[in-house]
Parts: sequence; structure tokens; C-alpha cells
Amino acid sequence: DQQVKQNSPSLSVQEGRISILNCDYTNSMFDYFLWYKKYPAEGPTFLISISSIKDKNEDGRFTVFLNKSAKHLSLHIVPSQPGDSAVYFCAASDAGGTSYGKLTFGQGTILTVHP
Amino acid sequence: EPEVTQTPSHQVTQMGQEVILRCVPISNHLYFYWYRQILGQKVEFLVSFYNNEISEKSEIFDDQFSVERPDGSNFTLKIRSTKLEDSAMYFCASLGQGNQPQHFGDGTRLSIL
Repeated sequence: DQQVKQNSPSLSVQEGRISILNCDYTNSMFDYFLWYKKYPAEGPTFLISISSIKDKNEDGRFTVFLNKSAKHLSLHIVPSQPGDSAVYFCAASDAGGTSYGKLTFGQGTILTVHP
Repeated sequence: EPEVTQTPSHQVTQMGQEVILRCVPISNHLYFYWYRQILGQKVEFLVSFYNNEISEKSEIFDDQFSVERPDGSNFTLKIRSTKLEDSAMYFCASLGQGNQPQHFGDGTRLSIL
């Protein structure tokens, strides 16, 4: 099942710089997208989401961009901090712009932020 | 902040045995989910549950699996006769309203011997 893909298994960034994590999807029925962060031995923690009626959503250091024509979304973290080091998952739902339905996850990207 | 709680954190079971994984969702949430992540693979949806019945289930969720909300607080996943390939992290999630995200527990690591 490759409906949601994160093609970069890992990303290494210097503290203070921008981290850009990418996600592609193939199912045009997806209309709600979420980013989760996961530390070892913990469950996924919600970061930020975006509905398909928007192309950008911002929350503090985190911004998600959605390009529907390209079926692509990205998560920008500015400035990156060592505490941001974790696995980042992109997830998508096709439940009418809500997260009621099942989430389809990407494989995850390991972000390492170096001091 | 309210949390989804899962017990046990690690369960070791002999193949063929029944196992029950337990979850306490966030108290005012009405939608409940189970996902699993086999080592090195994606997080996969298993089942969603609302109003005391299954809303949706994946192909993985066959007759060996069942879910139950036995009281007002617990949400359980039962695997009737475990197989080696059931070894995975199992995550419970709950949701209050659709404009909010699903909240995940820390998971139960299930090891089948």
C-alpha cells in the first residue's frame, strides 16, 4: 500500500536551520492531512494538520504546505531544535475533511537536529 | 493534557494463545481505533469503532480479531489465536470531534513466540 509516501528515510539538519519534510500521496480522495511526531517507546503525537481546502497552515515553528495538483505536502520546522529529533509521519484521511476515518500513514522520516 | 493509556506495555505470548490488549481512551471521546506497526514497516489501520459497533475494518482485521468496549472506559482488542506474524506494536487511538486529530497511546509491544 503506497498511497502515502515519504521518500526520505532520514534528514539531518543543524540547529537553528529549517527542516523540510516531504510527503506525496496518490489517492485523490484524501482531503485531510496530518503530521505526527514519534519518539522511541512512545505513540505518535499530533503536530499539525491541514484540510484540502487550504494550502497552508501554521502553528508556531511548524508550517504545513499542501499542493493538491502535485499531491504533495511538506512540513517546515523553523528554527529546528535538538528536541525536534524524532520520526515524523505524514498521515491522510478521506473522511470529508475530518479525521473521523482511518488514517493512512507514510513510512516516516527520521529527523536529526544537531546542536 | 488527557492521554490515551494502553496496557500492558509489553506482552509476550505463545503462538496459538489468545491475547487481549487494553486501552483507556480519552474520557469524552467517542471514536476509537486500533493500528499496528510491524517492525520496520508503516503504521497500519486495523479497525475503527463508534457507537458500540465497528465503523470500518481493514483486510488485516480478520475473524481472529475482535474489539469490544466492555464498559464506559475500556476499549479492547482481542486476538483469538495468535500467529508469529501478529508480532507488532499495537496502538490505540481516540477522537472527540472530526476537526481534531486522533490521539494515540504509547502502544503495546506484542511478541509472539
